[in-house]
Amino acid sequence: EAGVTQFPSHSVIEKGQTVTLRCDPISGHDNLYWYRRVMGKEIKFLLHFVKESKQDESGMPNNRFLAERTGGTYSTLKVQPAELEDSGVYFCASSQGIITSAVQETQYFGPGTRLLVL
Amino acid sequence: GESVGLHLPTLSVQEGDNSIINCAYSNSASDYFIWYKQESGKGPQFIIDIRSNMDKRQGQRVTVLLNKTVKHLSLQIAATQPGDSAVYFCAENEGGGNKLTFGTGTQLKVEL
Repeated sequence: EAGVTQFPSHSVIEKGQTVTLRCDPISGHDNLYWYRRVMGKEIKFLLHFVKESKQDESGMPNNRFLAERTGGTYSTLKVQPAELEDSGVYFCASSQGIITSAVQETQYFGPGTRLLVL
Repeated sequence: GESVGLHLPTLSVQEGDNSIINCAYSNSASDYFIWYKQESGKGPQFIIDIRSNMDKRQGQRVTVLLNKTVKHLSLQIAATQPGDSAVYFCAENEGGGNKLTFGTGTQLKVEL
């Protein structure tokens, strides 16, 4: 079974440009998460989808970031316009089923997209 | 590499020795903890998890210990192999929710 896949693996853009990252979760996983690690920092949560709905977007840094998951399958994360401080590695993760307050399910991570804003 | 600028603590062990990686977590309401392994150029790979109603859980060559009193988590790797060389992250489900909060990470280096 394929794991979480992300595209592209690397992206180099100039400040002010737009970049769209894509994540394909493990087939059948309802939960999809975006995280990122910017240089010199820990991996930080960005947001959580349950199917096509945003369950928690408390980690989104500002309105230059837009995440979508139309149809509840793959997700995109758009950065527009990109700034220098957006450089880092963007990870997507997925987990199976609907989260209840009693059960936490394992999140499986993709390989990440390495974004460099010049 | 991805760790540039992130000053990771480093643990160096001899091949065949046991490794112990420690982690302090922050939120006493967290009830689920995970250890991930990240090799260069790859995403975090799930190793083992533990829920707060347990204090020990064993997998293949790995054991996770949880001490809720002092909010401490450890990962023990038995008979460490060169393939175990990676950065190891602990994560907690912050406050019992779904999002994970990651630690800084520990670089494990296995010397032949």
